[in-house]
Amino acid sequence: EPEVTQTPSHQVTQMGQEVILRCVPISNHLYFYWYRQILGQKVEFLVSFYNNEISEKSEIFDDQFSVERPDGSNFTLKIRSTKLEDSAMYFCASRSSVSTMNTEAFFGQGTRLTVV
Amino acid sequence: GNSVTQMEGPVTLSEEAFLTINCTYTATGYPSLFWYVQYPGEGLQLLLKATKADDKGSNKGFEATYRKETTSFHLEKGSVQVSDSAVYFCALTSYNQGGKLIFGQGTELSVKP
Repeated sequence: EPEVTQTPSHQVTQMGQEVILRCVPISNHLYFYWYRQILGQKVEFLVSFYNNEISEKSEIFDDQFSVERPDGSNFTLKIRSTKLEDSAMYFCASRSSVSTMNTEAFFGQGTRLTVV
Repeated sequence: GNSVTQMEGPVTLSEEAFLTINCTYTATGYPSLFWYVQYPGEGLQLLLKATKADDKGSNKGFEATYRKETTSFHLEKGSVQVSDSAVYFCALTSYNQGGKLIFGQGTELSVKP
């Protein structure tokens, strides 16, 4: 069964460092998303991406964040200068279309980011 | 804006007990409603969904009915198993929001033998 793959599963980084979280969406999917979950809190939408550009971003997704689909298979989330409050589980998701009647979002296993 | 509220966890049940996890929502228009499950060490998986009022989603013995009049989508299972231990997330999306999901805070379920 096709799946969304995220790497690494756990990343520890020092405050102020740049991190790149990687995702390989399902191959025929067109819509890509990043979500995050701070420990004990809700899963929050960060950004959606379609046709090589951002479709929508949340207030959380400030100038420190960027996304890229560099090679047609990977989908990355970059945090330029990490803060302690960026520590969270980051989930990547993909979907073949945005018709919610017929499609579901498939999620990766998540990357736990710990900023120290 | 749209939002989802779930009952607080953790919920601890004995095997074969009846499960209810409450979920209510606030949304404009006619959202689609979902339950996702996260088993230990795994990602989020779609458990069931309902796309219009009075629809019942069901999967693996779990059920939830889309109640527009009470803006609710409560998850139920008649007889839980130890293997149902997981975190359950209620979520919604509206048709014009590009597939973006709004999640509740998650409810951890622990089933004891």
